[in-house]
Amino acid sequence: EADIYQTPRYLVIGTGKKITLECSQTMGHDKMYWYQQDPGMELHLIHYSYGVNSTEKGDLSSESTVSRIRTEHFPLTLESARPSHTSQYLCASSDREGNQPQHFGDGTRLSIL
Amino acid sequence: GENVEQHPSTLSVQEGDSAVIKCTYSDSASNYFPWYKQELGKGPQLIIDIRSNVGEKKDQRIAVTLNKTAKHFSLHITETQPEDSAVYFCAASKGSNYQLIWGAGTKLIIKP
Repeated sequence: EADIYQTPRYLVIGTGKKITLECSQTMGHDKMYWYQQDPGMELHLIHYSYGVNSTEKGDLSSESTVSRIRTEHFPLTLESARPSHTSQYLCASSDREGNQPQHFGDGTRLSIL
Repeated sequence: GENVEQHPSTLSVQEGDSAVIKCTYSDSASNYFPWYKQELGKGPQLIIDIRSNVGEKKDQRIAVTLNKTAKHFSLHITETQPEDSAVYFCAASKGSNYQLIWGAGTKLIIKP
């Protein structure tokens, strides 16, 4: 079983607040990803990282930012939350070599009032 | 651009029957094809994957077939059970330096 953890699981917060979604993995994976998903719908890649100090934007434009200071940690930050940011955010990781499966956390369900 | 089309969007089958979900990819350089299952309130979990040097792979009640000429791959679930109810996603990748391209998902409903 993959060990990747996301906190919080649920967050309801007011407009304009700064939010950080946490993601940690204990598998030593170099690659990490953030996806945005409306429940049960298509996954949209918003950020990814190939290792420490590496971050790239994904296919879906997002106002969020990410950092990768440690291999195991890949937090996502929204400086000023808006109702349009309401969604589910999924974090994943995979090994560097070749085509390797992505292991997902259980997501953060974010609601901006 | 690259895309993966997945059909059907919803599939309802009687418990014990088989279910088949199909995906078509556009980039002929794609060489890795995973399938994920997502249960309510959870992240997607890998259930089976196939690489381009193999035409079929089986794991108990689950199988995946790949047709590189036609650029499509399919997930087959036999003897379906209630716990198979979930959303299933296919994806394709052409290498470790490229991202997975995801299908839109299929909601599988197993009727008792």
